[in-house]
Formats: sequence, C-alpha cells, structure tokens
Amino acid sequence: AQSVTQLGSHVSVSEGALVLLRCNYSSSVPPYLFWYVQYPNQGLQLLLKYTSAATLVKGINGFEAEFKKSETSFHLTKPSAHMSDAAEYFCAANTGGGNKLTFGTGTQLKVEL
Amino acid sequence: DTEVTQTPKHLVMGMTNKKSLKCEQHMGHRAMYWYKQKAKKPPELMFVYSYEKLSINESVPSRFSPECPNSSLLNLHLHALQPEDSALYLCASSQDRGNTPYGYTFGSGTRLTVV
Repeated sequence: AQSVTQLGSHVSVSEGALVLLRCNYSSSVPPYLFWYVQYPNQGLQLLLKYTSAATLVKGINGFEAEFKKSETSFHLTKPSAHMSDAAEYFCAANTGGGNKLTFGTGTQLKVEL
Repeated sequence: DTEVTQTPKHLVMGMTNKKSLKCEQHMGHRAMYWYKQKAKKPPELMFVYSYEKLSINESVPSRFSPECPNSSLLNLHLHALQPEDSALYLCASSQDRGNTPYGYTFGSGTRLTVV
C-alpha cells in the first residue's frame, strides 16, 4: 500500500532562511506527488505537483520540490522564508489510475523574526 | 471559475438534527470528493464520486449520506451525528482522466460542530 512520511511535525525557521520540508513515499511504482498548504481555518491549496514530466518542480509562492527516485523523496524547499509562509504543509501521493490521495501527517511551519 | 465553493462555512447542529453540506464547482471536473479533517491531522477521505457515480466509500457510517445531483454539485447529508463528528469537512474536485491525475482543488471547508 502507498504511504507518505513527513519527517518533522513542526519546523521553525527565521525569516529569510531556507525552508526544507521533508517527504518520503513508499511505493514500488513512482507515484504522482503533491504538496499542499493549509492556512488556519482554510482549505488546502495546491503548491506544486510531480507527474513525471520533470524531476525539479516549481510551484507557487517561490516553492519548489525535487523528485529523487533513488531516495524515494520529494522534499519541499524555498530559498528565503517569509512570515506569510507560516502554515501547515501536507505531502500527498497518488499512484495513478485511481481517485485517491494518500496524505502525510503534515508539517507545521513557523517563521520567526 | 477555478474555485470549489462550500456552504455553509460554519454549522452547529444538535445530535437529532438533519442538515446538509453543499459543494459546487464549475471547472468541468468529473471527480468530486468529501474529506473529513480533525484538528492537527491530515484530511481523511470519506467519499469519491466519479462521473456522478459513487466510486469510493471509505466505510463511512450511514449517518453521513453523500449525493451528487449533477456534475457540478455534491452534497453531504447529515443525520443523528455524534460530538466526535465535529470537524472541518472539505470538498474537492479533480479532472478525471484515468492514469493521469491532476491536482485536486479544495474548497475552504465547512466547520461542523455537533452539540
């Protein structure tokens, strides 16, 4: 069965510092992978997605993620954190052919002055 | 229109009440979803509709009853809920093209409180 692991339920960075949120998947078949962001009391917004077209994926708000098959990872990065990036981030996977996303447990990003 | 609209945004209901949550999208998406999200947890899939037919029911209790009247609308009928059903209920939609999934578009959710 497909599973998604997000290391670190809480990550704290200083404003202007690098953001790195980790995501690993377990699947014998490389899945389609997504990062979503959720601000308080809101729904989930798609940041970016990997669908095998390119291993380095750029998303909205300056975020990007790199798919590494050898490491079964899809970590999310942003070169310089902004206060507005503080939110919950979810990694999700879909093995394709079905309408079912498997979510990681989420990472709460805190940005400090 | 690139949004999924959910109404109401907030709902408080008693355990004997009957209420409905509504979801609407006009993106031409043919798959629609209901998710339940508890605080500090990821969304949990409840139901999937594909081309207006129920394709996945994740063993959800019968006090939750989904309905898809047409390709743009999705309802979730609630009856005899329990306090532990209090949560954020999210609707989502996606294009449905077999083995080429697209990102899901989520609504902003209905915050449900059962008293």
